[in-house]
Amino acid sequence: SQKIEQNSEALNIQEGKTATLTCNYTNYSPAYLQWYRQDPGRGPVFLLLIRENEKEKRKERLKVTFDTTLKQSLFHITASQPADSATYLCALAALYNFNKFYFGSGTKLNVKP
Amino acid sequence: DVKVTQSSRYLVKRTGEKVFLECVQDMDHENMFWYRQDPGLGLRLIYFSYDVKMKEKGDIPEGYSVSREKKERFSLILESASTNQTSMYLCASSLLAAKDEQFFGPGTRLTVL
Repeated sequence: SQKIEQNSEALNIQEGKTATLTCNYTNYSPAYLQWYRQDPGRGPVFLLLIRENEKEKRKERLKVTFDTTLKQSLFHITASQPADSATYLCALAALYNFNKFYFGSGTKLNVKP
Repeated sequence: DVKVTQSSRYLVKRTGEKVFLECVQDMDHENMFWYRQDPGLGLRLIYFSYDVKMKEKGDIPEGYSVSREKKERFSLILESASTNQTSMYLCASSLLAAKDEQFFGPGTRLTVL
């Protein structure tokens, strides 16, 4: 069956370091992969979208990579700040159905000052 | 500023009650989605709609129905609420479905007693 895995353990890092979050998937052929940020008690907020034919996408301090061979996406936050502390979700839309998104359960990032 | 609003932030209902969750977006988006979010399970798609009066089942439609009579409004209906439907419900909209970002509402935390 289809599966999206994100590390359920929180990632704790020091301010100023680079945070790297992982999204692994199985039994998917994703056409699009998105990353969202979610703060407690609020809805997710879109960060970045990457297509299957793109290797890397950047936006300010954020970088996403997409490796369809490894079936993995990495999400990097450089020069991390305490305000980056949140849960980060990845979401995939399959080639065969662009309308449906499948979300991972998210990884909580804690950036300590 | 784009906006997705949900009718209630918190809702408490009794088992067997019919429950209506309303979602309104002001962005003229064709696509609207209902998810539920549970700890460790991530966001799971209940239903989505790609046009007025059009709907498609997501991964967990059992016990739910939806209505989309106007483009801006997408309603989720729990026909007979049960305790296992206690969850956070999130509505989202997007212009191009998976090819585009989804805008989420603030969520409704529903408790079924």
